[in-house]
Amino acid sequence: DAGITQSPRYKITETGRQVTLMCHQTWSHSYMFWYRQDLGHGLRLIYYSAAADITDKGEVPDGYVVSRSKTENFPLTLESATRSQTSVYFCASTDRDVDSGNTIYFGEGSWLTVV
Amino acid sequence: AQKITQTQPGMFVQEKEAVTLDCTYDTSDQSYGLFWYKQPSSGEMIFLIYQGSYDEQNATEGRYSLNFQKARKSANLVISASQLGDSAMYFCAMREPYNTGNQFYFGTGTSLTVIP
Repeated sequence: DAGITQSPRYKITETGRQVTLMCHQTWSHSYMFWYRQDLGHGLRLIYYSAAADITDKGEVPDGYVVSRSKTENFPLTLESATRSQTSVYFCASTDRDVDSGNTIYFGEGSWLTVV
Repeated sequence: AQKITQTQPGMFVQEKEAVTLDCTYDTSDQSYGLFWYKQPSSGEMIFLIYQGSYDEQNATEGRYSLNFQKARKSANLVISASQLGDSAMYFCAMREPYNTGNQFYFGTGTSLTVIP
């Protein structure tokens, strides 16, 4: 089972360029998330989505755009990359059934460096 | 206010000893879930243990147990008989399914080093 996959895993880009990080899950989970992980900050939520065509801002959305035209895909775009967006990005998903304690499942992470 | 607070940036433990990683949370919801994740140096996030807000008994999964003190809003992770492979970052997280659209909130993490 493929689970949740991210691409690219590693990316170096220049300031001002547009970058898209892809996320694909095979479980048909309703909820999908994008987090960034930075030393001293833990994981901070960028955007999340409750279903196809429904997205909402998280804690640190500025400079990012998301879309979710299909349940299984949740791409994250940096419209004009800045050095402060150098980070590790995690895509994650979870099911709608809130009473069962379903965990959140993470992709392997995308290491992005903006130079 | 922080939803999840982990006050120990780094911890050391002797191999085969037990260690407690602290986590406090902030919520006004009656229904919520508490989770712990392990992140080894390879980077993947590994689910360890879950505690529901209505669960009266502390959750246990092998060598991991969650010391749940609801009134104090704490959810400490206890690792018994530490192993070298336990060296990793550990994140506490909370899910508020009804209040915030199923968001997961994470702490800043605790880096655990197991000493041989």
